[in-house]
Amino acid sequence: EAAVTQSPRNKVAVTGGKVTLSCNQTNNHNNMYWYRQDTGHGLRLIHYSYGAGSTEKGDIPDGYKASRPSQENFSLILELATPSQTSVYFCASGRTGSFSAETLYFGSGTRLTVL
Amino acid sequence: QQQVRQSPQSLTVWEGETAILNCSYEDSTFNYFPWYQQFPGEGPALLISIRSVSDKKEDGRFTIFFNKREKKLSLHITDSQPGDSATYFCAASSGGLSGKLTFGEGTQVTVIS
Repeated sequence: EAAVTQSPRNKVAVTGGKVTLSCNQTNNHNNMYWYRQDTGHGLRLIHYSYGAGSTEKGDIPDGYKASRPSQENFSLILELATPSQTSVYFCASGRTGSFSAETLYFGSGTRLTVL
Repeated sequence: QQQVRQSPQSLTVWEGETAILNCSYEDSTFNYFPWYQQFPGEGPALLISIRSVSDKKEDGRFTIFFNKREKKLSLHITDSQPGDSATYFCAASSGGLSGKLTFGEGTQVTVIS
């Protein structure tokens, strides 16, 4: 069974503070992703990674950094959190082939509130 | 701008009815279209998917109809059950090594008995 674990499940931060969201996968998948979910927007891609040491910008990367220190771990970093970053954040992993996308496995999400 | 659009935003059907969820896209390079199902408090999970070479994909009570010319697809849930109450996301991908998906806004489905 594919497993993606996110921590923390809930987080309250202050404006201007630093926030780190963590994700661990035991699927041995190469690719990992960070999405945020907001009503009316669905899920939007922030950053993704092809493997350890790799980070790539997604569709809405401004205000976020990512870190992939190992195959299993992928972090999302908000250096200076703002209230507009209040959202639910999802991490996902996937193993893709050369010609097509395959299934993404999502974690249970982290609800972040920035006051 | 939203490259993948879904309608309606929410949908209520009676148990046993067919729910129809619509999706459209703009990018002609999209060739893979998965639908994800999400229950409250959980992450999305793959429900069913279709590739652009097909016009229909069926899996039990769930069927995708795909119209490449019009850049539209729909998800039909036949004999809807209360356990189908969830948010459904249409997504699209151009393939390649990134495997990244572009999601629509989602349709919240409620099945009442």
